[in-house]
Amino acid sequence: NAGVTQTPKFQVLKTGQSMTLQCAQDMNHEYMSWYRQDPGMGLRLIHYSVGAGITDQGEVPNGYNVSRSTTEDFPLRLLSAAPSQTSVYFCASSPGRKETQYFGPGTRLLVL
Amino acid sequence: SQQGEEDPQALSIQEGENATMNCSYKTSINNLQWYRQNSGRGLVHLILIRSNEREKHSGRLRVTLDTSKKSSSLLITASRAADTASYFCATGITGANSKLTFGKGITLSVRP
Repeated sequence: NAGVTQTPKFQVLKTGQSMTLQCAQDMNHEYMSWYRQDPGMGLRLIHYSVGAGITDQGEVPNGYNVSRSTTEDFPLRLLSAAPSQTSVYFCASSPGRKETQYFGPGTRLLVL
Repeated sequence: SQQGEEDPQALSIQEGENATMNCSYKTSINNLQWYRQNSGRGLVHLILIRSNEREKHSGRLRVTLDTSKKSSSLLITASRAADTASYFCATGITGANSKLTFGKGITLSVRP
């Protein structure tokens, strides 16, 4: 059981570039979510999904897109990277939106 | 303002001492959870306490919940250097469409 996996671990982008952060889970969880973590800000919810084909916006969705074509995968797309998107990104999965969250190891993103 | 606010923001204790961390929240909840994050890693779930529970134990961890005061405490007994980490409380707010909301975290340093 790998749990929640994220790739890449670290990425450097130039302003305006696009990229996809990958997230996969093997626990058959319906609920998946993306957070960003910035110093002094705690965890902020970007987007979430309650099941395949269903996604919704969180607290800070601007500049990010998601899709959920399968139960296992929940990629996060940065459309046109900005320095303000420099952060650590965590993917999490859970049996339900308010139940125990299982976090991936994170992706550290630097936008120059 | 934050739904879940931890207190203190930082705590430094000697190995062997007990560490007490507090979380206050504003609205009605279904459950409250505590997570730990070691430096550079993802969050790890520690304990979940439901709104109809007052106290839960897990190893050296003891969590209390006082819904009348809208507050929770996490006690780590006989702390170890390996307990050095950030600790977050997360609240599962009442409501069908609500989600888990994380606080900004407490930095715990345990001196050997």
